[in-house]
Amino acid sequence: GESVGLHLPTLSVQEGDNSIINCAYSNSASDYFIWYKQESGKGPQFIIDIRSNMDKRQGQRVTVLLNKTVKHLSLQIAATQPGDSAVYFCAENIKGEGYVSYDKVIFGPGTSLSVIP
Amino acid sequence: DTGVSQNPRHKITKRGQNVTFRCDPISEHNRLYWYRQTLGQGPEFLTYFQNEAQLEKSRLLSDRFSAERPKGSFSTLEIQRTEQGDSAMYLCAIHRTWGVENIQYFGAGTRLSVL
Repeated sequence: GESVGLHLPTLSVQEGDNSIINCAYSNSASDYFIWYKQESGKGPQFIIDIRSNMDKRQGQRVTVLLNKTVKHLSLQIAATQPGDSAVYFCAENIKGEGYVSYDKVIFGPGTSLSVIP
Repeated sequence: DTGVSQNPRHKITKRGQNVTFRCDPISEHNRLYWYRQTLGQGPEFLTYFQNEAQLEKSRLLSDRFSAERPKGSFSTLEIQRTEQGDSAMYLCAIHRTWGVENIQYFGAGTRLSVL
């Protein structure tokens, strides 16, 4: 399958510090990337996205950086808060197979972020 | 609120039993997806519906799995003769396009435990 790894990478940060979560993708043809946040007992929630013609995109307290040369994405969270504790997934949007074009999201392995009060 | 309701939230069943999950988008969306998520991993694509047509099925979807979307509204995912390896979270998502953004909105999922 597209998801790999049985052990979830973890990141612990102090409340108020900045967090950086990294992700590598494999498909050079991917042109759209998304970060999702998943809290315990909930489905993934959209945070921010970026198209391949951009290097950086900012949202509220979050910034996504894209390095197409090395196929690397990062999510930066400013002034991390306890409510940011969750598992974060990067995802690629690819075109699905079939006679009708549609979008399919392929998730990478997640990173578990723990915020220390 | 993501606009996607899934029922039941939890299902415990014995091996060999059949189970059915339901996904109800609050409003009409022509694109609907099912994913499976096991502990410590990201969601894995299972199948995609455009309206009532099932356009793609992952190789993860064995013959014991079947999904339907009658009338292009709600969707059901049925697993026959469940096995312990089917234990996972089953997620439903709808797809919304806003300008250049393509965003999938997920329900809270149905957690299946096969004993």
